[in-house]
Amino acid sequence: DAGVTQSPTHLIKTRGQQVTLRCSPKSGHDTVSWYQQALGQGPQFIFQYYEEEERQRGNFPDRFSGHQFPNYSSELNVNALLLGDSALYLCASSLNRREDSYEQYFGPGTRLTVT
Amino acid sequence: AQTVTQSQPEMSVQEAETVTLSCTYDTSESNYYLFWYKQPPSRQMILVIRQEAYKQQNATENRFSVNFQKAAKSFSLKISDSQLGDTAMYFCAFWVSYIPTFGRGTSLIVHP
Repeated sequence: DAGVTQSPTHLIKTRGQQVTLRCSPKSGHDTVSWYQQALGQGPQFIFQYYEEEERQRGNFPDRFSGHQFPNYSSELNVNALLLGDSALYLCASSLNRREDSYEQYFGPGTRLTVT
Repeated sequence: AQTVTQSQPEMSVQEAETVTLSCTYDTSESNYYLFWYKQPPSRQMILVIRQEAYKQQNATENRFSVNFQKAAKSFSLKISDSQLGDTAMYFCAFWVSYIPTFGRGTSLIVHP
C-alpha cells in the first residue's frame, strides 16, 4: 500500500521564479492538504483540496495556488517566489468521512530553497 | 483565531523512563479535535494519538496517553517506557472545521 509521495525531494529556485510541487495521496484517500514548515517551526496550513475544489485555506497570499486532479493527486504552485518562501512543504492526505477526515497521513516533504 | 502553545522547546529523558510533553490551546469553539504528531529526524510526520473534544475519556495508544483537560484547554502527552526510537520533534495540533493549527514543537531526546 503506497503512502503519500511527493516530488521533487529538493528544489532550488531564484527570487521571482515560479515553482510547482506535486503530491500523490495514500491509496484510497480523496483529500489533500498542503503545509509550509519553516525551519524550527510547526507546519502552517496552506489549503485543502477535496473533489478538485479548494475547501479550506489558511492565511497565505494568492501567490500560493493549487490544483487537484481526478485521480486525487495534487499540485501546489507558488508564484513570484520570495526568500521567505524557503521551507519544507508537506502534503498530507485523508479520507473525507466525518471521523476520518482529520486523520492525515503525511508525505516526506519537498525542501524548497529560494536564493 | 486558534492558537496552540508548546512551552517546552526541548526535553530529554532516559530510556525506559516516563516523560510528559505539554500543550495548551485557545479557542472559542466547543467541537474540535486534538492531535499529537511525531516527526523523526527523517522528517515524515506520523500521527501518534488523537482526542475528540466531546469525549471525556483520555485517549491511549500503547505507551502513549494524553491528559485532556478541556476546561483548562490543556492536552499533554505522556510517553511511558521511553525508547530510543521516540527521539523526534513532537507537535501538538488542533483542528476546527477542517483547519488545523500546529504548535511550534518540542524536541524530545531519549538517552540510552
